[in-house]
Amino acid sequence: DAGVIQSPRHEVTEMGQEVTLRCKPISGHNSLFWYRQTMMRGLELLIYFNNNVPIDDSGMPEDRFSAKMPNASFSTLKIQPSEPRDSAVYFCASSRLAGGETQYFGPGTRLLVL
Amino acid sequence: QKEVEQDPGPLSVPEGAIVSLNCTYSNSAFQYFMWYRQYSRKGPELLMYTYSSGNKEDGRFTAQVDKSSKYISLFIRDSQPSDSATYLCAMRGISSGSARQLTFGSGTQLTVLP
Repeated sequence: DAGVIQSPRHEVTEMGQEVTLRCKPISGHNSLFWYRQTMMRGLELLIYFNNNVPIDDSGMPEDRFSAKMPNASFSTLKIQPSEPRDSAVYFCASSRLAGGETQYFGPGTRLLVL
Repeated sequence: QKEVEQDPGPLSVPEGAIVSLNCTYSNSAFQYFMWYRQYSRKGPELLMYTYSSGNKEDGRFTAQVDKSSKYISLFIRDSQPSDSATYLCAMRGISSGSARQLTFGSGTQLTVLP
């Protein structure tokens, strides 16, 4: 079992650039979650999908952030334009929709915006 | 006030000690309670999961939930250096939709000294 796969693992970019983070959930899981983790704010839910449909995006900080899930095996989180305060570790997690208490997290993408 | 409060530590104990980690919460709708372990530069992994009040034991780990006090605990017996990690509590309500999302504590950083 490959687990949740995220890419890239590290991203360094300059302010104003577009950043795209990618996630492949565990096969057979139909819920997908994007989180952001910082020292100051801890682990925050940004958005989650059930069966590829966004259910709750109230955690998305502002319009610069967008997320898509075009199919059951792929999701993207895009930041455009990026700002230094977006620097964080971004995690993707997936679970089964039924009894989805167990969320399996990916290794995360460490983003640094200069 | 945050919905879930967790002492960030850091907590340092000698090998073999009993460790007690705690979270308090304010939302009485929370019914599912989880503890995640996060090693440095890794994603969180589910350690323990309990529903409603009571105790659950798994090897050296015991999770306790006291809903009347809105207080949950994780005990680690015979702690090992390999237990050194950040421990995050998480919880959610019983309903579907947005209530399925997890609310995380800020995490407690634990170091077990050999």
